[in-house]
Amino acid sequence: EAGVTQFPSHSVIEKGQTVTLRCDPISGHDNLYWYRRVMGKEIKFLLHFVKESKQDESGMPNNRFLAERTGGTYSTLKVQPAELEDSGVYFCASSQDMVNNEQFFGPGTRLTVL
Amino acid sequence: KQEVTQIPAALSVPEGENLVLNCSFTDSAIYNLQWFRQDPGKGLTSLLLIQSSQREQTSGRLNASLDKSSGRSTLYIAASQPGDSATYLCAVVTGANNLFFGTGTRLTVIP
Repeated sequence: EAGVTQFPSHSVIEKGQTVTLRCDPISGHDNLYWYRRVMGKEIKFLLHFVKESKQDESGMPNNRFLAERTGGTYSTLKVQPAELEDSGVYFCASSQDMVNNEQFFGPGTRLTVL
Repeated sequence: KQEVTQIPAALSVPEGENLVLNCSFTDSAIYNLQWFRQDPGKGLTSLLLIQSSQREQTSGRLNASLDKSSGRSTLYIAASQPGDSATYLCAVVTGANNLFFGTGTRLTVIP
């Protein structure tokens, strides 16, 4: 069974540019989560989808971040325009249900904003 | 607000030694607690999940305990091996169904 995949693995962009990160969850997992780790800090929650609906987006830092999950399958996280403080590693996770909620993580996308 | 602390931040042990990693959390109203390992440049690998009603979980040489009332969990690794070297992360799930992470313990097992 394929795990959670993320694309790209690395992205280097200039301040003001736009970047779109993609996450493909484990097949059949309705719950999809985005997390972020900035340098030297702990991993922090960004948002949670249940199928195509946003269940919780309380961790999204500001309106420069837009997450979508069309059709309840893969998800994208767009940052527009990117700022220096957006640099970090963006992780995606998925889980089968909310009660058990063991979350399985992807390898992450390392974003560097210059 | 939930805060998760992991002590120590780094640990070096000789191969074969048993060791304990500690995790504490401020809000005991959790649904479950999950331990992960992260290898450099890689994603997170789930090691153990303990539901709030459980006291411990075991997988191979790993044993995780949970004392929800005191806000503590430990990860016990028996007979450590160089391949155990990684960063170990503790995370708790609250009613919001997302994970609150600690900053991790970086473990080095010396051959």
